[in-house]
Amino acid sequence: DGGITQSPKYLFRKEGQNVTLSCEQNLNHDAMYWYRQDPGQGLRLIYYSQIVNDFQKGDIAEGYSVSREKKESFPLTVTSAQKNPTAFYLCASSITPFYGYTFGSGTRLTVV
Amino acid sequence: GESVGLHLPTLSVQEGDNSIINCAYSNSASDYFIWYKQESGKGPQFIIDIRSNMDKRQGQRVTVLLNKTVKHLSLQIAATQPGDSAVYFCAERGGSQGNLIFGKGTKLSVKP
Repeated sequence: DGGITQSPKYLFRKEGQNVTLSCEQNLNHDAMYWYRQDPGQGLRLIYYSQIVNDFQKGDIAEGYSVSREKKESFPLTVTSAQKNPTAFYLCASSITPFYGYTFGSGTRLTVV
Repeated sequence: GESVGLHLPTLSVQEGDNSIINCAYSNSASDYFIWYKQESGKGPQFIIDIRSNMDKRQGQRVTVLLNKTVKHLSLQIAATQPGDSAVYFCAERGGSQGNLIFGKGTKLSVKP
């Protein structure tokens, strides 16, 4: 079955650490996205990529970094510069940027 | 599971009743709209979409209505079931480069 897979489901980060969240899709979608979700708020765009080897900052990119070396993969690194990283992170993909998104099941990141 | 429903507007309905969830969108130039359903601890799932050249679109037990004059979108769920309990998000395609912009969501609770 085609889909989008995020791992791990739960992730714990110590102060000062960088952590990387994985996102893989086998839908042959060109565009991929990372969103952050906090309680009581909508989805906020962190980064997006419309083609391989190209990505753009979203509304809250500070403290995050991404890469898009393969069409199927769009990992997100939460750096130590992100002061409040505890949140639910969602990865999504779409055939092109002009169609609806398919979402992964999310990664819950907690600072310990 | 993740507390994605905290501090959100809440709609409580009796099982078997019809539900109406409303959304005000921001960009009068938005040309595509989607409703997503998100259950606790999971990623959003596509429910139904509508393009701006339409006023109404029906799916299985769901109907989306679009009023461009007042920038209002609604989702109607017929014969609401306990499995419909979730947070519902509207999204509009009005962001830069065609990205979706998500609303804050409404939590639907179905009482048996």
